[in-house]
Amino acid sequence: GAVVSQHPSRVICKSGTSVKIECRSLDFQATTMFWYRQFPKQSLMLMATSNEGSKATYEQGVEKDKFLINHASLTLSTLTVTSAHPEDSSFYICSARPPGNAETQYFGPGTRLLVL
Amino acid sequence: AQSVTQLGSHVSVSEGALVLLRCNYSSSVPPYLFWYVQYPNQGLQLLLKYTSAATLVKGINGFEAEFKKSETSFHLTKPSAHMSDAAEYFCAVSDHQAGTALIFGKGTTLSVSS
Repeated sequence: GAVVSQHPSRVICKSGTSVKIECRSLDFQATTMFWYRQFPKQSLMLMATSNEGSKATYEQGVEKDKFLINHASLTLSTLTVTSAHPEDSSFYICSARPPGNAETQYFGPGTRLLVL
Repeated sequence: AQSVTQLGSHVSVSEGALVLLRCNYSSSVPPYLFWYVQYPNQGLQLLLKYTSAATLVKGINGFEAEFKKSETSFHLTKPSAHMSDAAEYFCAVSDHQAGTALIFGKGTTLSVSS
């Protein structure tokens, strides 16, 4: 099946720094990618929908200036957590959907972010 | 807006017993429905999905789910639990539009005792 990768898998950073997380679709082109956040023992919450070549659509309550999303190509979307704080520590998961396919969504393995 | 409700945040069963994890959806039209499993510190693995074909869907690891429109339910079952089934299970829903995200339920933790 299709593969979606995330890099890094785990990152520890100091408060106030910025962290970039990459999401790649390895064997298909994804016009749409999604970013989710999962706090410990909680469900996945959709943060934003990333569309190639256009601005991301953010869910209510998600700060677009804090969580910068760039979908520069059909196989890569990046999420940058700017000026990270300890409360941003979470598990960030991306997913990608092949074009025109509403039934299938492939998830990345997730990125564990710890902000000290 | 679509949503899913998973009844029971924690389900405990004995090894060999029936597993039943409940999921009810809210949608104006029958949506696509999914069950995912997540092991500790790992990503999501698709167990099965309903996409308006057969109402009884068989997935991996012996799991299956039945779509019941009259009950707006999509409960996950497995006849005989195995220790390795202990994990977090998420029910999710999406509409038929290719550009929409999955909406997840709050999850159910399955514990299996010997």
